[in-house]
Amino acid sequence: DIVMTQTPLSLSVTPGQPASMSCKSSQSLLHSDGKTYLYWYLQKPGQSPQLLIYEVSSRFSGVPDRFSGSGSGTDFTLKISRVEAEDVGVYYCMQGIHPPFTFGPGTKVDIK
Amino acid sequence: QLQLQESGPGLVKPSETLSLTCTVSGGSISSSSYYWGWIRQPPGKGLEWIGNIYYSGSTYYNPSLRSRVTISVDTSKNQFSLKLSSVTAADTAVYYCASYCTNAVCYSYYFDYWGQGTLVTVSS
Repeated sequence: DIVMTQTPLSLSVTPGQPASMSCKSSQSLLHSDGKTYLYWYLQKPGQSPQLLIYEVSSRFSGVPDRFSGSGSGTDFTLKISRVEAEDVGVYYCMQGIHPPFTFGPGTKVDIK
Repeated sequence: QLQLQESGPGLVKPSETLSLTCTVSGGSISSSSYYWGWIRQPPGKGLEWIGNIYYSGSTYYNPSLRSRVTISVDTSKNQFSLKLSSVTAADTAVYYCASYCTNAVCYSYYFDYWGQGTLVTVSS
């Protein structure tokens, strides 16, 4: 199975300030079709996960442009340009190149 | 926009079979553009993918659960279901159903819509 790791595991951010978190996979997520199947999900408190980013850097419908993803191969980053109060929750990266699909342990973001 | 809703018993006894159903609205479960999946989350822990099913009945499961899992689809009711046998306390979790959009419509593959989740507790 592909192991996903995330750092940091928790992050406390001042509103209006940027935030960044990292995700690493134990194998390359670059598929033979040329796409890299790395996703970012946000699970707000008491809610189900919601898709933010797919294929490393594509924002899902309705996701604010303050969220951006980058990376390649095995190393990926999610950045929030200006954190808002509604961004609190746990951010999970997930790989979709090879079943079993696996998730990272999550980065918990809260507001200072 | 698709909407998914899980239903089923919230309490299951050890060694018995957990059974959940996901009802899909806002679209057809027979769409060739989607797979349908189950993911679970033990209390206070991370996410674990259980398996996916296509409307034709084709499935793929997490090898860690394959011996105990069955996912099925009922196109007449626009539902798909999860059965997990021989449960133990380790199977206590919030179980989510989700739609897995495929290349045909999303030009990629991802879980796009999730149900609200249902907590299943395994206890005698």
